[in-house]
Amino acid sequence: AQKVTQAQTEISVVEKEDVTLDCVYETRDTTYYLFWYKQPPSGELVFLIRRNSFDEQNEISGRYSWNFQKSTSSFNFTITASQVVDSAVYFCALSEAGYGGSQGNLIFGKGTKLSVKP
Amino acid sequence: EAGVTQFPSHSVIEKGQTVTLRCDPISGHDNLYWYRRVMGKEIKFLLHFVKESKQDESGMPNNRFLAERTGGTYSTLKVQPAELEDSGVYFCASSLGQGISPLHFGNGTRLTVT
Repeated sequence: AQKVTQAQTEISVVEKEDVTLDCVYETRDTTYYLFWYKQPPSGELVFLIRRNSFDEQNEISGRYSWNFQKSTSSFNFTITASQVVDSAVYFCALSEAGYGGSQGNLIFGKGTKLSVKP
Repeated sequence: EAGVTQFPSHSVIEKGQTVTLRCDPISGHDNLYWYRRVMGKEIKFLLHFVKESKQDESGMPNNRFLAERTGGTYSTLKVQPAELEDSGVYFCASSLGQGISPLHFGNGTRLTVT
């Protein structure tokens, strides 16, 4: 069965701290995609990153970095030197490529609410 | 470019009434998706349009939900009659092509059924 688990419901940090959001997934497919989305208070879901199952390279984008480890079925997200503007709900999601090649049928985790205090 | 637009942003209706949600995807995006998040639960896939055709509607909860995308542009999601458990946030997303493009989501419509 496909499933995404974000065990951390809420995290609170002080500005400039580093914070890691955990994501563990389950899938039977060998080809799949993993995503992170950010939901700021305005409500929309903002795409952050997509990773396919054949690419285990870690990725860094500014203060954001992602650690994909197939051995532990994890796709963790780290924010370095957090800022107040990072406060949001962050969702991890999985898409199995067997779905007609489309990545549109996303399986979401419940989300982690991150609060960054000044 | 304009993003995915959803209307209304918030709707409060009574049980048994009908509500229609609208989604305008990003111009040129053939793929349109509906998702919803019921309180305290995960965001769940409802259905997927490719242009005006339903590619996958496996996530539609029951026949009280009807989605349309006439002409392959905007889409509507009608709930008739609404039940209390339909309360939640309904998201629409669009993407340019299958397999490659990420989904762009709208702000969602918060539906409250009393």
